[in-house]
Amino acid sequence: AQTVTQSQPEMSVQEAETVTLSCTYDTSESDYYLFWYKQPPSRQMILVIRQEAYKQQNATENRFSVNFQKAAKSFSLKISDSQLGDAAMYFCAYRGSNYQLIWGAGTKLIIKP
Amino acid sequence: GAGVSQSPSNKVTEKGKDVELRCDPISGHTALYWYRQSLGQGLEFLIYFQGNSAPDKSGLPSDRFSAERTGGSVSTLTIQRTQQEDSAVYLCASSSTRAAYTGELFFGEGSRLTVL
Repeated sequence: AQTVTQSQPEMSVQEAETVTLSCTYDTSESDYYLFWYKQPPSRQMILVIRQEAYKQQNATENRFSVNFQKAAKSFSLKISDSQLGDAAMYFCAYRGSNYQLIWGAGTKLIIKP
Repeated sequence: GAGVSQSPSNKVTEKGKDVELRCDPISGHTALYWYRQSLGQGLEFLIYFQGNSAPDKSGLPSDRFSAERTGGSVSTLTIQRTQQEDSAVYLCASSSTRAAYTGELFFGEGSRLTVL
């Protein structure tokens, strides 16, 4: 069975600095998708970025980028120029051949002004 | 509506009572998911609807939990004889058929259930 692990329950970063959130996963599949979702205090989960496993190029969305290491089964999220609005819970998720998403436990990101 | 709508936003009930939670997905979205999120935890899959196919109920924790989706649109999650361990945020998500395949879900703001 697939698993997703986020080893950092909480991270903090100074506003305008860069922070990296870690995620590792376990799977025997070769084709899958990985996601980072953000959950602000409003509780509404929002997709931040998506990576397709067959693509070697790391996905980037404005200030958000990933470091996808397929062999190491690692999928970290880098947030550059952190802003106060980035404060939220961040969840890493995996989707393989099954339509279900497998979720990590989340990392709480605190932005210090 | 523009997004996934869930109601009620907050529900406080007494142990043993039944509750209904409603989800109104984005118009045209064929896939609908229910998740449960306990405090400080990730998302626990409950049930999945896709079009007219039989729902995947494999995540429902007990027979006190049930869900239906009428007309391929609005869904209701029902919890009978609520227990204190049912206290959680219940999240609904929907997606188009293609987005469901790639895992891109659109979430509502959830219903926070507190069982006293």
